[in-house]
Amino acid sequence: GAVVSQHPSWVICKSGTSVKIECRSLDFQATTMFWYRQFPKQSLMLMATSNEGSKATYEQGVEKDKFLINHASLTLSTLTVTSAHPEDSSFYICSAPRSRLAGVGRDTQYFGPGTRLTVL
Amino acid sequence: ELKVEQNPLFLSMQEGKNYTIYCNYSTTSDRLYWYRQDPGKSLESLFVLLSNGAVKQEGRLMASLDTKARLSTLHITAAVHDLSATYFCAVLTYSGAGSYQLTFGKGTKLSVIP
Repeated sequence: GAVVSQHPSWVICKSGTSVKIECRSLDFQATTMFWYRQFPKQSLMLMATSNEGSKATYEQGVEKDKFLINHASLTLSTLTVTSAHPEDSSFYICSAPRSRLAGVGRDTQYFGPGTRLTVL
Repeated sequence: ELKVEQNPLFLSMQEGKNYTIYCNYSTTSDRLYWYRQDPGKSLESLFVLLSNGAVKQEGRLMASLDTKARLSTLHITAAVHDLSATYFCAVLTYSGAGSYQLTFGKGTKLSVIP
């Protein structure tokens, strides 16, 4: 079954509004989560690394004031697209690493089902 | 800057045929992932390759890793229509202080024709 969930699955909004996307790890704690963006027929591009209890780390070219990330708990990270515009329309995917062995936190990355954002 | 290159980007093949997808990367890494993505869906993990010479097989798919050549391959044997999807390789790199990230190739869109 799914170990990482995202909500909502699909959102359509008007230009200028803000949209919040949630990423939850189910049955495990994730101190780190990753947010990716995927445009049609393109690969995944890492936007930012979400860290529980501290500020997110953004990749070059990603506006931190536009894409607000809050890692509120060990099982929840949120991405808020502020003042969304049509060019922000994309497929947003989060992932979280799950330790299979103590101290080995990098073996398995679980991806959420994605959130399709359409900005009119 | 790490570069991950997949080849080919598009692949159309008949059922029953074999083919190999290549993934080259530009910097040292000993951890490589293969994922499958169906249209409109998220990623499905296929393989994680942890060391030089690693080979893993699942059904008609077999993945290998050569860390010295910085090359991974995904071999498709006797393709069937259900394998039609986009396949991504991704390389794990560490950026210090316990942080790391995955860098994805552009993907290979596979169409298997009956």
